[in-house]
Amino acid sequence: GAGVSQSPRYKVAKRGQDVALRCDPISGHVSLFWYQQALGQGPEFLTYFQNEAQLDKSGLPSDRFFAERPEGSVSTLKIQRTQQEDSAVYLCASSNTWDRVTYEQYFGPGTRLTVT
Amino acid sequence: QQQVKQSPQSLIVQKGGISIINCAYENTAFDYFPWYQQFPGKGPALLIAIRPDVSEKKEGRFTISFNKSAKQFSLHIMDSQPGDSATYFCAASLGYGGSQGNLIFGKGTKLSVKP
Repeated sequence: GAGVSQSPRYKVAKRGQDVALRCDPISGHVSLFWYQQALGQGPEFLTYFQNEAQLDKSGLPSDRFFAERPEGSVSTLKIQRTQQEDSAVYLCASSNTWDRVTYEQYFGPGTRLTVT
Repeated sequence: QQQVKQSPQSLIVQKGGISIINCAYENTAFDYFPWYQQFPGKGPALLIAIRPDVSEKKEGRFTISFNKSAKQFSLHIMDSQPGDSATYFCAASLGYGGSQGNLIFGKGTKLSVKP
């Protein structure tokens, strides 16, 4: 079956532009996470959805970052007025919340955002 | 405050040798400790994971050793192969699924296995 997919894989934005990053989770997965991975660092949590509900957005670095999952499947991470410090790989992960044996999160390949 | 500290930052091992990567955590409420492998341009992929009620878990060439009292856990890769060359991340999370399931990652270890 298909894994987590993300698009675009690469995005170059000029400072001040708005960008939208898409995540298609594994079909049927209830939980969806967004992470930000700076160059040479581990991923850092941004936000969490359970179905269409955004239950935790404590990791979003500023109010320029916004995420949604309106139908409980595909999710979009939007960054308004991009800044150079937003340059990073944005990773999406999904998991089956109801599997209490494992917390395994399946990651997509990420979107590499470069702000010039 | 870094909740999960990983060492070493980089590691070079000869083919057939043992690779050892260590992690230490602060929060005693963590109850899930996975290791992820990441190749350049790819997302992290789960290698192996452990719960704090066991001290060791082995899957093929990969073993996690867990020391609850010391708040440390480590990854051992036996018979290391050039194909194992990647960046490895340890992580921890607080609870069953839900928003507490978000993973807190270490900074990563870049492993190079020389032929």
